[in-house]
Amino acid sequence: KAGVTQTPRYLIKTRGQQVTLSCSPISGHRSVSWYQQTPGQGLQFLFEYFSETQRNKGNFPGRFSGRQFSNSRSEMNVSTLELGDSALYLCASSLDSGSYEKLFFGSGTQLSVL
Amino acid sequence: KQEVTQIPAALSVPEGENLVLNCSFTDSAIYNLQWFRQDPGKGLTSLLLIQSSQREQTSGRLNASLDKSSGRSTLYIAASQPGDSATYLCAVWAGAGSYQLTFGKGTKLSVIP
Repeated sequence: KAGVTQTPRYLIKTRGQQVTLSCSPISGHRSVSWYQQTPGQGLQFLFEYFSETQRNKGNFPGRFSGRQFSNSRSEMNVSTLELGDSALYLCASSLDSGSYEKLFFGSGTQLSVL
Repeated sequence: KQEVTQIPAALSVPEGENLVLNCSFTDSAIYNLQWFRQDPGKGLTSLLLIQSSQREQTSGRLNASLDKSSGRSTLYIAASQPGDSATYLCAVWAGAGSYQLTFGKGTKLSVIP
């Protein structure tokens, strides 16, 4: 069974640009969540989707947005990039709500903003 | 607001030693606690999941315990190997309707051959 797939693996952008990251969950998993990881702040929750509905959002500005498609694949978008957005963005999936289940993480997308 | 702390931030041990990693959380009303492993520049690998009603979980050389009342969990690694070198993170499921994990900042483990 394939794991969580994130594309692209690396991205280099300049300030002011926008970026879209993609996540394909494990087959059959309907919950997808996104996390940002930086050396200073560690792992921080961005948002979670289930059946195309956003159920929770972390404390990030509106420049960070996401969506989930009917096949459970998810994308996140960051507009008007800032230097501080440089981070490893991790996607995780689980069968359902995840509250009683393991989360399975992808390898992440390393975003560098110059 | 739930906060998760892992001490120490880094740990270096000789190969073959048994070791314990610590995790503490401020709000005992958790649904579960997970331990993850992260290799440099990579994603997270789930090691163990302990439900709030459980006291411990074991997988191979790993044993994780949970004491909700004191807000603590430990990850015990037996007979450490150089391949165990990685950052170990604990995370708690905040509660009903949260749909998110709150992570500690991790303990970076180095096992010296």
